Amino acid sequence: NAGVTQTPKFQVLKTGQSMTLQCAQDMNHEYMSWYRQDPGMGLRLIHYSVGAGITDQGEVPNGYNVSRSTTEDFPLRLLSAAPSQTSVYFCASSYSKKDSPNYGYTFGSGTRLTVV
Amino acid sequence: DAKTTQPNSMESNEEEPVHLPCNHSTISGTDYIHWYRQLPSQGPEYVIHGLTSNVNNRMASLAIAEDRKSSTLILHRATLRDAAVYYCILSGRGSTLGRLYFGRGTQLTVWP
Repeated sequence: NAGVTQTPKFQVLKTGQSMTLQCAQDMNHEYMSWYRQDPGMGLRLIHYSVGAGITDQGEVPNGYNVSRSTTEDFPLRLLSAAPSQTSVYFCASSYSKKDSPNYGYTFGSGTRLTVV
Repeated sequence: DAKTTQPNSMESNEEEPVHLPCNHSTISGTDYIHWYRQLPSQGPEYVIHGLTSNVNNRMASLAIAEDRKSSTLILHRATLRDAAVYYCILSGRGSTLGRLYFGRGTQLTVWP
């Protein structure tokens, strides 16, 4: 199993550009989430999904869009990049059932985004 | 959403047990207690979770107070690889279904 795959690993954008961060999982997980982590801080939830076709906002959704057309993929779109969006972005996925022996979010290795 | 309180930092010596505390006085009856850890320059890693009873797995043990207002993550023999930020998180049904909110966590330093 590949687990949670995030691409790209590094990206530099100019202010105002748009881009999509890709996230794919091959574990048939229902739950998927996007987080951002700024230096010295904990993770903040951007958007999450509890299944294909269902998404909702987290703590810091402004400036980001998501969609979940398949169970496997959960792309994060930056609409018009700003320097404040410079951060490390993590995608994660999990089974929904907390009594499952396989429960627990699996995180990707992250995308390091710099907006100049 | 119910919040958790953790010490900013803790230290331990290698091969000694480590008890990482977490207070969650506003926990609801359906909230699970989760622990994740984040090693330097990596994404978070699931450690353990529980509802009411104490839980053990190959990584750690989770001791949950009888009133569920606090919990303790126990690393039985700390190794240098256990140096990380440890996050205690609550997640339940209803409005928090599927969501995990991370605080700042506890930075664990392990000395050789």
